[in-house]
Amino acid sequence: DSGVTQTPKHLITATGQRVTLRCSPRSGDLSVYWYQQSLDQGLQFLIQYYNGEERAKGNILERFSAQQFPDLHSELNLSSLELGDSALYFCASSPGTGSYNEQFFGPGTRLTVL
Amino acid sequence: GNSVTQMEGPVTLSEEAFLTINCTYTATGYPSLFWYVQYPGEGLQLLLKATKADDKGSNKGFEATYRKETTSFHLEKGSVQVSDSAVYFCALGGYQKVTFGTGTKLQVIP
Repeated sequence: DSGVTQTPKHLITATGQRVTLRCSPRSGDLSVYWYQQSLDQGLQFLIQYYNGEERAKGNILERFSAQQFPDLHSELNLSSLELGDSALYFCASSPGTGSYNEQFFGPGTRLTVL
Repeated sequence: GNSVTQMEGPVTLSEEAFLTINCTYTATGYPSLFWYVQYPGEGLQLLLKATKADDKGSNKGFEATYRKETTSFHLEKGSVQVSDSAVYFCALGGYQKVTFGTGTKLQVIP
């Protein structure tokens, strides 16, 4: 158990809909990272937050947004969903801002868009 | 920018065989290097890491040495088990985000 929790575990929705994925980092970790893992694209970094502020941005679509709240949990919002958004979405956390130290991954949310 | 290249999979080995998964990187500065493992149906977890040149990371019989002269961080294990079947990711970390390789799927057959 990494200490990172993600809800829901599974999500099935239709094209055009909007969903919210939730992540609670390990106790004491200030950074939260979001990743998308699909069969054809591998593991893609989406975005990082540190102590409530956006820190780094990766291959995140404009239809996707995220935020980190004062209690440090984070939410990833996916809107106008397309079939190609079906994937595993992972959240990870780490104590600091940089990535010299390891990240702790949650179990993931499996999103299926029908 | 930073990049990580690891060998394509899948790799299929018999139990007790020797494992090598190659990983090379391109980076500025002095990054940290990691191997993560993803077992079926789970998230990634750190397998081992090295933070400076010539460091050797080791865990659960796996080893990797940070080679700055060849910009490599190859993963090795002397005798694999069926329970080692998983996807292995080489990764590079530094001031900014972590850069992951594409992953190598390992299947160990009895």
